[in-house]
Amino acid sequence: NAGVMQNPRHLVRRRGQEARLRCSPMKGHSHVYWYRQLPEEGLKFMVYLQKENIIDESGMPKERFSAEFPKEGPSILRIQQVVRGDSAAYFCASSPQTGDGYTFGSGTRLTVV
Amino acid sequence: AQTVTQSQPEMSVQEAETVTLSCTYDTSESDYYLFWYKQPPSRQMILVIRQEAYKQQNATENRFSVNFQKAAKSFSLKISDSQLGDAAMYFCAYRSNAGNNRKLIWGLGTSLAVNP
Repeated sequence: NAGVMQNPRHLVRRRGQEARLRCSPMKGHSHVYWYRQLPEEGLKFMVYLQKENIIDESGMPKERFSAEFPKEGPSILRIQQVVRGDSAAYFCASSPQTGDGYTFGSGTRLTVV
Repeated sequence: AQTVTQSQPEMSVQEAETVTLSCTYDTSESDYYLFWYKQPPSRQMILVIRQEAYKQQNATENRFSVNFQKAAKSFSLKISDSQLGDAAMYFCAYRSNAGNNRKLIWGLGTSLAVNP
């Protein structure tokens, strides 16, 4: 049973481009969480999704950021018109409905040049 | 809103010795979980230990144990017989047990160096 899969592992974008980060949850997990880790900082919650629903997006910037978790396929975190301040590691975690078995992916490191 | 504070940005310990990492938190809830995660240079987040707030007994996992003081809102991690592989960033995290939202609230981390 594969763990939480995030890709790409590293992503380089020029300022103004779009970044798409993918997260495939563990089999049987229907809840996905996205976190951002800025350099020298802990993780900050961004968004919590269930299949086809955004449950809590209180941590996500209002502009340029969006997330989805479609019925089929991975969860996508999309950042439009990236800026240097978006450079960070983005982690995805998944859990079953009970909340136990919370599992992290290895993260995507986004570098904006 | 809940907050988690780790007041030690960096710590060091001699191999085979014991070290304690501090964590305090603030919440008005009574039902929650606390966690310690380890993040080595590989960046993978590894669960070290977790504590359920309604359990008075301190959690233990091999060389790792916690001192959970609910009234003081303190949750320290003790690493015994430190090994070189314990060198990493350690994060304390809080999770409410209310509702279905399992988002984690994180401290800023403590960088642990293990000296041979």
